[in-house]
Amino acid sequence: EVHLLESGGGLVQPGGSLRLSCTASGFTFTNSAMNWVRQAPGKGLEWVSTLNDRGYNTSYADSVKGRFSVSSDNSKNTLFLQMNSLRADDTAVYYCARGHTVGITLWFDPWGLGTLVTVSS
Amino acid sequence: QSVLTQPPSVSAAPGQMVTISCSGSSSNIGINYVSWYQQLPGTAPKLLMYENNKRPSGIPDRFSGSKSGTSATLGITGLQTGDEADYYCGTWDSSLSVTVFGGGTQLTVL
Repeated sequence: EVHLLESGGGLVQPGGSLRLSCTASGFTFTNSAMNWVRQAPGKGLEWVSTLNDRGYNTSYADSVKGRFSVSSDNSKNTLFLQMNSLRADDTAVYYCARGHTVGITLWFDPWGLGTLVTVSS
Repeated sequence: QSVLTQPPSVSAAPGQMVTISCSGSSSNIGINYVSWYQQLPGTAPKLLMYENNKRPSGIPDRFSGSKSGTSATLGITGLQTGDEADYYCGTWDSSLSVTVFGGGTQLTVL
């Protein structure tokens, strides 16, 4: 069974850093485009970042570009999101999701349970 | 303000049918595939539909998807109380070069 599990969330002060992890099982990690999607409290979904299936192409939402960095450890089937210069509006549940590509469109399945990041002093 | 526009809420009685619209533009829905996600209260999103109208394994045929021009629609027939959830559409925006989601629609089964 395909499974994703995030970890690393918590409370951090504005300007601080946090690294999220997503451990995958049940599929070939290196053959997948892996993604981070977040959801602020009471709000909708916002795509954050994609690491392509070769592991060397990355893309980011404008809201996190220059502050967040996505990477992976393929030997451990683990995806990371390094988050620096955190702001209050980064407060959200962060989901890891496996991406499936058709043309240039991504659809996401499955999703992890999510990990909550709270940025507050 | 989301790039894709969904109604904030829809409601219908058990056993009835409901449709949820997702309106976009020529740079997103007009030229790319649409996917739909169901988010039950307090849980992670779950894929409901991909490539406009394809159902993943395990999704009942009460759920259907369609696309016409720059809009997409999710249809649910035979509504059940267990269908109460938030529903999101998503696609790629070729002008912005990002994946975009609708703002979400809360379904209430009265």
